[in-house]
Amino acid sequence: SQQGEEDPQALSIQEGENATMNCSYKTSINNLQWYRQNSGRGLVHLILIRSNEREKHSGRLRVTLDTSKKSSSLLITASRAADTASYFCATDAPGFQKLVFGTGTRLLVSP
Amino acid sequence: KAGVTQTPRYLIKTRGQQVTLSCSPISGHRSVSWYQQTPGQGLQFLFEYFSETQRNKGNFPGRFSGRQFSNSRSEMNVSTLELGDSALYLCASSPPSNYGYTFGSGTRLTVV
Repeated sequence: SQQGEEDPQALSIQEGENATMNCSYKTSINNLQWYRQNSGRGLVHLILIRSNEREKHSGRLRVTLDTSKKSSSLLITASRAADTASYFCATDAPGFQKLVFGTGTRLLVSP
Repeated sequence: KAGVTQTPRYLIKTRGQQVTLSCSPISGHRSVSWYQQTPGQGLQFLFEYFSETQRNKGNFPGRFSGRQFSNSRSEMNVSTLELGDSALYLCASSPPSNYGYTFGSGTRLTVV
């Protein structure tokens, strides 16, 4: 399967703590994207990092990309209960016009 | 601006029936993609359309088909439904420059 892997599968933390999720993928990419999904609803685009970038920030989100290791990480700082959701990485490979999703990380942030 | 609109929101169908799902992309977005999400297989790519042409297709049987209209709206059809087709079907649209995809809220299909 081309599907990427994410770890951990589930993560439970307290409000105010940081949450780190990791993603590994298998093919060369144009970019890697992170999405959030609340309770089986639609996916919300969080951040996109291009293959020639190593780190990107957006608000409380920090994404890193290591193309030599085919891996990425998403850091959410100072987490809130509203961050409770499933998080997916997705890769966009050259010439394919499709996203290949990881298996997802379920994040639970307790007040 | 309006987001990606998927209709209907929920569907219950019987095995052997067929179903059509609809997706209206963000205005100006010409690329529309479809994904199936199940607990067992996760998010799987179905197909992608651009200017009424299918550019890419995932590894699904021929019972799954789609099309795109001149206004970029897209439909997907599943014929001869099976229990395993029960899933959340997500549609996404993207602008010409790749800045990420905008997903609709999905259609939850239950086959009984």
